[in-house]
Amino acid sequence: KAGVTQTPRYLIKTRGQQVTLSCSPISGHRSVSWYQQTPGQGLQFLFEYFSETQRNKGNFPGRFSGRQFSNSRSEMNVSTLELGDSALYLCASRTAIAYSGANVLTFGAGSRLTVL
Amino acid sequence: QQPVQSPQAVILREGEDAVINCSSSKALYSVHWYRQKHGEAPVFLMILLKGGEQKGHEKISASFNEKKQQSSLYLTASQLSYSGTYFCGTDSGNTPLVFGKGTRLSVIA
Repeated sequence: KAGVTQTPRYLIKTRGQQVTLSCSPISGHRSVSWYQQTPGQGLQFLFEYFSETQRNKGNFPGRFSGRQFSNSRSEMNVSTLELGDSALYLCASRTAIAYSGANVLTFGAGSRLTVL
Repeated sequence: QQPVQSPQAVILREGEDAVINCSSSKALYSVHWYRQKHGEAPVFLMILLKGGEQKGHEKISASFNEKKQQSSLYLTASQLSYSGTYFCGTDSGNTPLVFGKGTRLSVIA
């Protein structure tokens, strides 16, 4: 099974621009979670999609948005970029553990965004 | 709310042991542990479910005290390959995984 694929791996933008990041989950998985990773804050939850519906949303401004397509691929968009948006953006497939109600995350390699 | 991890960083010599703690102010359904090596994605290590379970993975094990809402990760006889940042993630039941800020572990020869 292929893992979680994120594109692009690296990108540089300037303040005020917008950016779109893409994530393809593990084949057959319908859930995609997005996290922002910065040195000071660790992994911060952005949002989660399941079968094209947003199930949960973290505490981020409205400039951060996402969507999921019928093939489970997901995109996240950040508009009006700020310097503080520089981070590693991680996408993860969520795998349910049978009979436990718990889920495990498998992360992609991430998209490293630098805002100048 | 973000779980609190301690210590923030630790340096070990090969063969030494370490304990990383994770505590939450919320009732927990499960605790997850991940390790991230420099420049790589976080990788799942183990999950502990409500019930005081203890699990092991090679020389890495963990415990979960649901009454205290705490989990500890134990690394014994550390190897160079154990270096990385360890994150605990907490789940209060059908909620997104919330991660701590991480503990940076460096193992030196």
